[in-house]
Amino acid sequence: KNEVEQSPQNLTAQEGEFITINCSYSVGISALHWLQQHPGGGIVSLFMLSSGKKKHGRLIATINIQEKHSSLHITASHPRDSAVYICAVRSNQFYFGTGTSLTVIP
Amino acid sequence: SQTIHQWPATLVQPVGSPLSLECTVEGTSNPNLYWYRQAAGRGLQLLFYSVGIGQISSEVPQNLSASRPQDRQFILSSKKLLLSDSGFYLCAWNPGGLETQYFGPGTRLLVL
Repeated sequence: KNEVEQSPQNLTAQEGEFITINCSYSVGISALHWLQQHPGGGIVSLFMLSSGKKKHGRLIATINIQEKHSSLHITASHPRDSAVYICAVRSNQFYFGTGTSLTVIP
Repeated sequence: SQTIHQWPATLVQPVGSPLSLECTVEGTSNPNLYWYRQAAGRGLQLLFYSVGIGQISSEVPQNLSASRPQDRQFILSSKKLLLSDSGFYLCAWNPGGLETQYFGPGTRLLVL
């Protein structure tokens, strides 16, 4: 069993749709990260959360520590949002989900 | 501003050959440095991290090793590559253990 589970594994959306990606974890954490990996492989760190909610442009990340769950939302999705989104948690070490592959169709 | 470099970008090596991947960070001092591997179809795996020169922590046992000869230089090495070493290797840095990590462009390694 993985310490970090993401859903869905694959997601296809029409441009403009509201998107939610979920992350559940089973270990005690000090922080949770949302990462974005582009098709070429490069990774960008989107958010680091330890509680509550953060917003950056069209991206919103929330975390519920009691439920050990985080969500990444994308409002008004755009084809350039197409990427793999990875949830990672910091416990005694880093644990990573296997990612959610998002494709936004024009 | 801070930047992180990795090279080479792509590498094809025969089984049993040695490996040396380099990562350097500019614009900061005493960063925490990390090596990750992403195997095909799998998530990221933390291989090594370093909080200072000469200080290396290994997360998983394997035939890879890491070294930090200078404050902003992190090297991933192997004496003899295995087929299973193929993957995408990412270097990252952050100012401290719990802060956001910044990733390099990665090195795609294919062992044949």
